[in-house]
Amino acid sequence: GAGVSQSPSNKVTEKGKDVELRCDPISGHTALYWYRQSLGQGLEFLIYFQGNSAPDKSGLPSDRFSAERTGGSVSTLTIQRTQQEDSAVYLCASSSRTGTSGELFFGEGSRLTVL
Amino acid sequence: EDQVTQSPEALRLQEGESSSLNCSYTVSGLRGLFWYRQDPGKGPEFLFTLYSAGEEKEKERLKATLTKKESFLHITAPKPEDSATYLCAVLNQAGTALIFGKGTTLSVSS
Repeated sequence: GAGVSQSPSNKVTEKGKDVELRCDPISGHTALYWYRQSLGQGLEFLIYFQGNSAPDKSGLPSDRFSAERTGGSVSTLTIQRTQQEDSAVYLCASSSRTGTSGELFFGEGSRLTVL
Repeated sequence: EDQVTQSPEALRLQEGESSSLNCSYTVSGLRGLFWYRQDPGKGPEFLFTLYSAGEEKEKERLKATLTKKESFLHITAPKPEDSATYLCAVLNQAGTALIFGKGTTLSVSS
């Protein structure tokens, strides 16, 4: 499809394990975002990539969270030593312009459950 | 600190019963206010961008308006397919991300 693709769609893991979530943005989109959505909470910004610029990591909640974007396309969000409070839906979005347009295209998310 | 507050948290309407959703914001220098729709199990879908007070945008039964402190999403004669969570967001000061409110969940019954 032509939309933002995320995998896995569901992930159940045990506390303390590491997880990797993948995002494949729309082809040609230079901006890529990761958000987290917990039950009853709004979308929480995690990290922003724009082209070859240094990413804005200001939203990452702890040093257990990291993300990379290879070749300006696919991105991977890694959570080390997962905790129960990490359980949430992790949403990826991409945009063809810098953030000021506000029109982000979201994937369907990866639902993470930490037991 | 940039902040977005939406009300009500939930709204139940009968088909054809018009109403409005509210989004109030606190941001230093508004650089855009954005409305999204989110269906269960899906990612948010972009609806509108508003940049300055007095601006209005329309799409089918939805109309978004903007003042200096808040935005309204007016829903005229809603249908069951309008049922969804509506999210409001502003651009952060760095211009790198959208700051979202918690949303209003709208249910329209026939």
